[in-house]
Order: sequence, then structure tokens, then C-alpha cells
Amino acid sequence: SAVISQKPSRDICQRGTSLTIQCQVDSQVTMMFWYRQQPGQSLTLIATANQGSEATYESGFVIDKFPISRPNLTFSTLTVSNMSPEDSSIYLCSVEDLGESMSSYNEQFFGPGTRLTVL
Amino acid sequence: GNSVTQMEGPVTLSEEAFLTINCTYTATGYPSLFWYVQYPGEGLQLLLKATKADDKGSNKGFEATYRKETTSFHLEKGSVQVSDSAVYFCALSDWSNQGGKLIFGQGTELSVKP
Repeated sequence: SAVISQKPSRDICQRGTSLTIQCQVDSQVTMMFWYRQQPGQSLTLIATANQGSEATYESGFVIDKFPISRPNLTFSTLTVSNMSPEDSSIYLCSVEDLGESMSSYNEQFFGPGTRLTVL
Repeated sequence: GNSVTQMEGPVTLSEEAFLTINCTYTATGYPSLFWYVQYPGEGLQLLLKATKADDKGSNKGFEATYRKETTSFHLEKGSVQVSDSAVYFCALSDWSNQGGKLIFGQGTELSVKP
């Protein structure tokens, strides 16, 4: 299984500022995803981070608010822009490796998450 | 669209009790089904999975069977321990329709008392 690290593990930020979260994987993976877990809630997919192209965003999430980079097969960043208290959540990256067959019944592995509090 | 519904929590059990957490799903394709667990203060971990109908996933004494006829994937354990206290998430992944994204249920908090 892939080992995933995230930085920072937690942060407290002021309204109107931006925070960039890093996700590093110990091996090359095909798919990387970013999820949000609001307090007491389930996980919601923000976007799929595509290597070498623009991320694919889910309904309700836009690039201006959550810009994503994926410069290679082991690293991605998510920026939470112009933050408000409603952005207080745990942000998680996950990975899935499709393998040679390019089909997947593989599980996704999750990073430890970044706990963000916006004041 | 695809969705997952779990029984509401919190669920409180005594040690060695039998556990069932219900999960039903709606999917237009042929999803894979998963149970993830989130222990207090920790990240999300895969507990078990099943990739086709009638498959049984099992791990750490937990089991779940993929029932296509009832669109269910209920989590069971015969004898819970205090260390099983966590939040459990049922999820599906439907590559035929929605790529690799996971759709999660709302989570069920389990508290096991000694």
C-alpha cells in the first residue's frame, strides 16, 4: 500500500488568507484525489488531480477557490483560497493506482489529513 | 446519481456484543463497495472491500457481503472490543460511470463500552 504524507497536519488561519496543502506519496500513482470532511460530516470529493493537466472538479467546487497542482506522479497541492470560517474542515488526499490494466477495483489510500481552522 | 446510505449513529454496544451497521447503495453501474474506518484522531483506513456481487470482504473480524439483490453491504462483527470504537464509513466506487471517485455514506459512530 502507498504511504501518503500531508503538510501541514493542522493550521489556524485568518479569514481572507490562503493555505496550500501538500500531498506526497512514496510511489508513483495514477490517480490522486482531494476530499473535504467538514466537522461531524462525511467525506466529499473536491476534485481529481490530473498529472499534466487541469484538475477535474466536482459540482460545487471551482478552481478559483480550490486551485490544484499535480506536477508529477507522486505529488499534489491543494490551495484553499480567500478562506472563510465555512472552510474549516479536514482536507484529505487519497491515491489509487490503476496498474497496467488501467482498470481499477483497487482501494484508495488516504493521507492523514490536514485539519484547517479559519477564524 | 450514485449514493450510499448508512444507519444513523451513534451506536453504543457493550464489549463482546454483536455489531451490525447497515449500508445500502444506489448505483447505475457495477460498483465496488468498501468499508473505511476512522479511529479517534487518526486518518481514514480501508477496513474491507468487495468488488462484485456475492463477494464477502473480511478483516479484523469484520465482514460484509455484497448483496446486489438488496443493494446492501452491511458490516458485521460477532464480538466487538473497546478498540473497535471509531467512525465507520460505507463507500462505493463506480468506475463505469463516475471514474475513480469514492462516494461515502454519512458515517456511523460506534462506541464500545467495557
